[in-house]
Amino acid sequence: NAGVTQTPKFQVLKTGQSMTLQCAQDMNHNSMYWYRQDPGMGLRLIYYSASEGTTDKGEVPNGYNVSRLNKREFSLRLESAAPSQTSVYFCASSESGITSGNTIYFGEGSWLTVV
Amino acid sequence: AQSVTQLDSQVPVFEEAPVELRCNYSSSVSVYLFWYVQYPNQGLQLLLKYLSGSTLVKGINGFEAEFNKSQTSFHLRKPSVHISDTAEYFCAVSGRGAQKLVFGQGTRLTINP
Repeated sequence: NAGVTQTPKFQVLKTGQSMTLQCAQDMNHNSMYWYRQDPGMGLRLIYYSASEGTTDKGEVPNGYNVSRLNKREFSLRLESAAPSQTSVYFCASSESGITSGNTIYFGEGSWLTVV
Repeated sequence: AQSVTQLDSQVPVFEEAPVELRCNYSSSVSVYLFWYVQYPNQGLQLLLKYLSGSTLVKGINGFEAEFNKSQTSFHLRKPSVHISDTAEYFCAVSGRGAQKLVFGQGTRLTINP
């Protein structure tokens, strides 16, 4: 079972460059999420998609855009990378929204460094 | 809005000793509570969750947690830890009807032989 797959696993960017993190899930889940993890700060929600065709901002959306390409795929784009975006990024999915207490399943993470 | 505080950033224990990782939350509505574990260089996986009913919740790998509404706590316990339990543990809360899962800062559990 692949679960949640995200690419790339590691990336180094120069300030001002753009890139897209790709995410796909094979569990037929409706909801998908992008989190970032920084030391001492836990995980913070960047954007989420409660269902195909919808996206909403989370706690820290500035500097990011997302696309829910279809039910399986949810990408995160950094238009003009900044050193403050150096972080570990996690894609996740759940059967439906968190409102019902559904479990969120995480990918293995993407380590992004902006120099 | 909800918030979570994990009271210890690091917890060192000896192998086969008991451990408790503390989590307090704040919410103006009823909540769902979760504990996730992150092994080195991996994503997070669910240990256990409280949705309703019995306040003592059992999870994978021998962990359990107790929901205490009056103290707004959801502490994680294991009676005897193993080296393989070395990981970072995250407490998380979702308000019923909310769209977000809010994570605590994490507790790094280190098991010494």
